[in-house]
Amino acid sequence: DGGITQSPKYLFRKEGQNVTLSCEQNLNHDAMYWYRQDPGQGLRLIYYSQIVNDFQKGDIAEGYSVSREKKESFPLTVTSAQKNPTAFYLCASSIGDRGRVGELFFGEGSRLTVL
Amino acid sequence: AQKITQTQPGMFVQEKEAVTLDCTYDTSDPSYGLFWYKQPSSGEMIFLIYQGSYDQQNATEGRYSLNFQKARKSANLVISASQLGDSAMYFCAMREDWDSNYQLIWGAGTKLIIKP
Repeated sequence: DGGITQSPKYLFRKEGQNVTLSCEQNLNHDAMYWYRQDPGQGLRLIYYSQIVNDFQKGDIAEGYSVSREKKESFPLTVTSAQKNPTAFYLCASSIGDRGRVGELFFGEGSRLTVL
Repeated sequence: AQKITQTQPGMFVQEKEAVTLDCTYDTSDPSYGLFWYKQPSSGEMIFLIYQGSYDQQNATEGRYSLNFQKARKSANLVISASQLGDSAMYFCAMREDWDSNYQLIWGAGTKLIIKP
């Protein structure tokens, strides 16, 4: 079945460590996104990519990095520079067509806890 | 100022009753889109329904409909004949078309619990 796969589902990190969250899609979508979700808040955009080898910062990019070497893959690295990384991270994709922007397909998320 | 406001942090509704989840928005862009997403306990966000600012009729998708009142800047989600599986978080979101990147602005969500 087509969809978005995020891994790992749960991740624990010690302070000062970088961690990478995986996001893979087989929907043949051009655009991919990373969101952060904190309790009681809406989603906040970290990074997005509308095409391979190109990506842009979202509202809260500091302390995060991404790459888009393949259409199917958009990994997110949470670096030690991110001061409060404990959160739920959601990866999404969309067709990329202007008229369909906003109709996002999401993975099941990765919950990161810093010990 | 909040661009998307969901005033109901939580709601309890009896099974089979209709549910209205509130969403108000704030934009000066005449061209925008409004979305509702469902997030069950599994964590995945699921797209439910979309309304464009120039659409003349309210959007409907099965048991979901969007009560779009443009003058009031309101985009409430209506779920008819609620089911136990409707228990989830529900998020309202907006896309402003002046933003060339067309990114979504999200509300804080409403937790809906359907009682048997």
